Amino acid sequence: EAQVTQNPRYLITVTGKKLTVTCSQNMNHEYMSWYRQDPGLGLRQIYYSMNVEVTDKGDVPEGYKVSRKEKRNFPLILESPSPNQTSLYFCASSLRGAYGYTFGSGTRLTVV
Amino acid sequence: GQSLEQPSEVTAVEGAIVQINCTYQTSGFYGLSWYQQHDGGAPTFLSYNALDGLEETGRFSSFLSRSDSYGYLLLQELQMKDSASYFCAVRDWTAGNKLTFGGGTRVLVKP
Repeated sequence: EAQVTQNPRYLITVTGKKLTVTCSQNMNHEYMSWYRQDPGLGLRQIYYSMNVEVTDKGDVPEGYKVSRKEKRNFPLILESPSPNQTSLYFCASSLRGAYGYTFGSGTRLTVV
Repeated sequence: GQSLEQPSEVTAVEGAIVQINCTYQTSGFYGLSWYQQHDGGAPTFLSYNALDGLEETGRFSSFLSRSDSYGYLLLQELQMKDSASYFCAVRDWTAGNKLTFGGGTRVLVKP
């Protein structure tokens, strides 16, 4: 089944404790993105990647890091999480980049 | 930069037609797409318009007017399962692959 897999689905952590949210797609898509979704603010892009080793900042990259060492994986790293990073995170991938994104099931992160 | 405006909420009855408008401002327009998201779920892709005109996919249609920087999603023969949030999104070719979403329109379908 074609899909984007994110892990974990839920995570509660403490301020300052480094964490990684994994994202993997099995569709051989070149484009991958990370979004955060907050009430009233819609989906905001954190980082995106157009191919292996090619990444760029989205609208809200502060406090996040990404890497794209393999085509299928695009992990999101929070080096020192803070409470304002409490949010619902989605990873997405697309073959063409302009449209047709497939989203993962989401990761609900709480930083206390 | 990019910005998109869409209504925050629309309510309609089963069987009705709903139109969700989206106006956008972007430097290098590269297409308007629409996504549906049910409560607690992930967004799913509905449609894409790169050129002016109407694209029809079953009960849903999407329209684009590039000269007016405007598009809409038309939901016909509304069903209860259409209760969800709908997002428009634009890609700006002058900003790499950045895909910007509107704030979303919550559609509530009543019996």
